Amino acid sequence: DAKTTQPPSMDCAEGRAANLPCNHSTISGNEYVYWYRQIHSQGPQYIIHGLKNNETNEMASLIITEDRKSSTLILPHATLRDTAVYYCIVRFGSGNTGKLIFGQGTTLQVKP
Amino acid sequence: GAVVSQHPSRVICKSGTSVKIECRSLDFQATTMFWYRQFPKQSLMLMATSNEGSKATYEQGVEKDKFLINHASLTLSTLTVTSAHPEDSSFYICSARPATDYRAYEQYFGPGTRLTVT
Repeated sequence: DAKTTQPPSMDCAEGRAANLPCNHSTISGNEYVYWYRQIHSQGPQYIIHGLKNNETNEMASLIITEDRKSSTLILPHATLRDTAVYYCIVRFGSGNTGKLIFGQGTTLQVKP
Repeated sequence: GAVVSQHPSRVICKSGTSVKIECRSLDFQATTMFWYRQFPKQSLMLMATSNEGSKATYEQGVEKDKFLINHASLTLSTLTVTSAHPEDSSFYICSARPATDYRAYEQYFGPGTRLTVT
């Protein structure tokens, strides 16, 4: 599976958009980008995933560059409850194969 | 969304004893389940992948005789830590992937089990 690189930490003001970058320069054509987050001492929570098109759901938006070598997770209006570790993961395929291998993630601190 | 439960949420055991952790998918069937371990201030580390009715596949460096995994049904997987030692103290998290193909991109995580070995 392709490796991802994320900044170790970021701050964001409450109510503002949080933009979390991820670099996956070795991604191959059929590998999906997934985002999860983990709030302290809980299991990871699925946020969003995509292949090459931008995606949006009720939690966030995922912007993937045209060459697919990087992506950005956008939380449009961050709240204090969005403080968590955010993991960008590249997983091969969308079928019942592949594994989610977690990197170090980005610790997002939302401040009032 | 789909729900994955784990039991117990916390367990304290004495060194040398065995501990079983259950992982259940509550509202979907899971062909594949995963077990992760997380030490304080570290990321999740994948330990093994289990498919219903077959032997688990362990990641490199994970002792299969120490961490016994049984995926007996489409909604239940168990992890047994045998002859536990203090260095096995960790946060164990399971994850489940729905059996249906159109949901196969999804993967849901349990709340985790905190194991402390004294």
